[in-house]
Amino acid sequence: AQSVTQLDSHVSVSEGTPVLLRCNYSSSYSPSLFWYVQHPNKGLQLLLKYTSAATLVKGINGFEAEFKKSETSFHLTKPSAHMSDAAEYFCVVTFKSSGDKLTFGTGTRLAVRP
Amino acid sequence: EAGVAQSPRYKIIEKRQSVAFWCNPISGHATLYWYQQILGQGPKLLIQFQNNGVVDDSQLPKDRFSAERLKGVDSTLKIQPAKLEDSAVYLCASTPAGTDTQYFGPGTRLTVL
Repeated sequence: AQSVTQLDSHVSVSEGTPVLLRCNYSSSYSPSLFWYVQHPNKGLQLLLKYTSAATLVKGINGFEAEFKKSETSFHLTKPSAHMSDAAEYFCVVTFKSSGDKLTFGTGTRLAVRP
Repeated sequence: EAGVAQSPRYKIIEKRQSVAFWCNPISGHATLYWYQQILGQGPKLLIQFQNNGVVDDSQLPKDRFSAERLKGVDSTLKIQPAKLEDSAVYLCASTPAGTDTQYFGPGTRLTVL
């Protein structure tokens, strides 16, 4: 069965410092991987998506993620945090064999300190 | 391009009452999903439609939840009767043909008292 694990439920960084949100997945097949962001009282917004074209994926708002098959990881990074980045982030996996059914991680809440 | 629309945005009801949520997906998106997101958790798929047919409803509590998408466009999700544990945000998403990227609406926050 497919699953995704977000290793940190809360991450706190200072504005201007790097962001690292960790995600590991389990799979016997090649997955599609996503990062979604959810701001308070807002819907989920797609940050970026990996579909095997390139292992380093660039998304919106300066975020990027690197797919590492050997480590079954898809960590999300940003060089410099902004106050507006404070939100909940979800790592999501899907497989063609599952009919594109999304499996969500439990989320990481990012706090950005001034 | 208009996004996925949902209404109402907020609903407060008492347990054992009924409630209905509405979703209008992005125009032309054949696949529509309903998710339940309990506070502090990731969204959980309740039901997936392809046009007006159900693809996956394995996690829908069918004794109290129902959903329909009669004309293959907008959809309604109903809970009858509601329980306290149904308090959650109900998210609707849609997907264009040929992709697995889902676009989410703003959600309906349900509080059951």
